[in-house]
Amino acid sequence: AQKITQTQPGMFVQEKEAVTLDCTYDTSDPSYGLFWYKQPSSGEMIFLIYQGSYDQQNATEGRYSLNFQKARKSANLVISASQLGDSAMYFCAMRDVNTGNQFYFGTGTSLTVIP
Amino acid sequence: DSGVTQTPKHLITATGQRVTLRCSPRSGDLSVYWYQQSLDQGLQFLIQYYNGEERAKGNILERFSAQQFPDLHSELNLSSLELGDSALYFCASSVERGTQETQYFGPGTRLLVL
Repeated sequence: AQKITQTQPGMFVQEKEAVTLDCTYDTSDPSYGLFWYKQPSSGEMIFLIYQGSYDQQNATEGRYSLNFQKARKSANLVISASQLGDSAMYFCAMRDVNTGNQFYFGTGTSLTVIP
Repeated sequence: DSGVTQTPKHLITATGQRVTLRCSPRSGDLSVYWYQQSLDQGLQFLIQYYNGEERAKGNILERFSAQQFPDLHSELNLSSLELGDSALYFCASSVERGTQETQYFGPGTRLLVL
């Protein structure tokens, strides 16, 4: 079974609008961490945001926020006020303590911001 | 600039050879992660070191090995290379503050096995 599922291979958003990138995860462990990364076409990998499973509040970092719904096992990334520079691949990942702190990555969502 | 350095940036080698990829974490970061990104397999976690000790192991092949040295730099050794090992290899260092973790990625080493 997939540990991390990103169901949107591609997304488009108008500049200055908000966009939500979906991510669901699968674990039976109460202790885990959730990560989002951005990979522009230049190839570098950029860490965006982290949410621990015990954190009560949703993580936020500037224009990025993580909509953490534990019961639904979802960790959607919300980007507010999209900018052209947000066009990139976005990967969701989970660190699963149950499997020795292994990382599991989703297949990614390609986001295109339209001017 | 994340502060994480990786060398070399590009590497072209032949099947059966051995290569070493090097990663220097940000000053003060104790944790180093290695990841592989290929067209076939997507992004995969290979291994994590924390202050010289292996902390977590992912989908790392037996032909691959890694270590973290006392000065905290890390090396990933890939041996008996196969065509399928061609990939982008990232390292990242991380800092943990309470329950929060932030990762910083190097620019990657692009390996091409011919």
